Amino acid sequence: EDKVVQSPLSLVVHEGDTVTLNCSYEVTNFRSLLWYKQEKKAPTFLFMLTSSGIEKKSGRLSSILDKKELFSILNITATQTGDSAVYLCAVEFRDSNYQLIWGAGTKLIIKP
Amino acid sequence: ETGVTQTPRHLVMGMTNKKSLKCEQHLGHNAMYWYKQSAKKPLELMFVYNFKEQTENNSVPSRFSPECPNSSHLFLHLHTLQPEDSALYLCASSYDRVNQPQHFGDGTRLSIL
Repeated sequence: EDKVVQSPLSLVVHEGDTVTLNCSYEVTNFRSLLWYKQEKKAPTFLFMLTSSGIEKKSGRLSSILDKKELFSILNITATQTGDSAVYLCAVEFRDSNYQLIWGAGTKLIIKP
Repeated sequence: ETGVTQTPRHLVMGMTNKKSLKCEQHLGHNAMYWYKQSAKKPLELMFVYNFKEQTENNSVPSRFSPECPNSSHLFLHLHTLQPEDSALYLCASSYDRVNQPQHFGDGTRLSIL
């Protein structure tokens, strides 16, 4: 069965800490892995990863994909209270149609 | 402003009512999606439209009926819903069906009495 598993389910850290969020997957015909940030409303796109070992970076956020071990990590350095959100991981793959399945998310709380 | 607008933001309806959710995207995208988001569960893809044609229907009950009159507008018609249908319904769009990030609206919070 195709699945996407995120860990931890929730995480509480203090402002300034560095966090690492994990997303592992089991799918056939992998195409891409995507990270989103969801605060109260719309999930907002962070990264799309298709190749192993190439880090994508945006400010204090970075992400990398390991297609051999079937996982991705999302790093946030020097966390701020505004980073508090649910971080969602999704994997695109192909069976009879193109499919996108989502993990349950990691709820990140940054304490001042 | 995400470029994807959903109305209404909140909807409370009885099980015998008929209502519709609306989604409009201003991004020039060709694919549109309906998702259901329930508490502590992964996003569930319901319907996909690509160039106005429905390409996927992920075993959604017939009490949910999508409509896509053009590439910019997407509707979800609701009738005789059940309490377990209470959730956040998210609309998304992308330029193409594959290998493209999806852009989401803020959702409609639906409560079934």
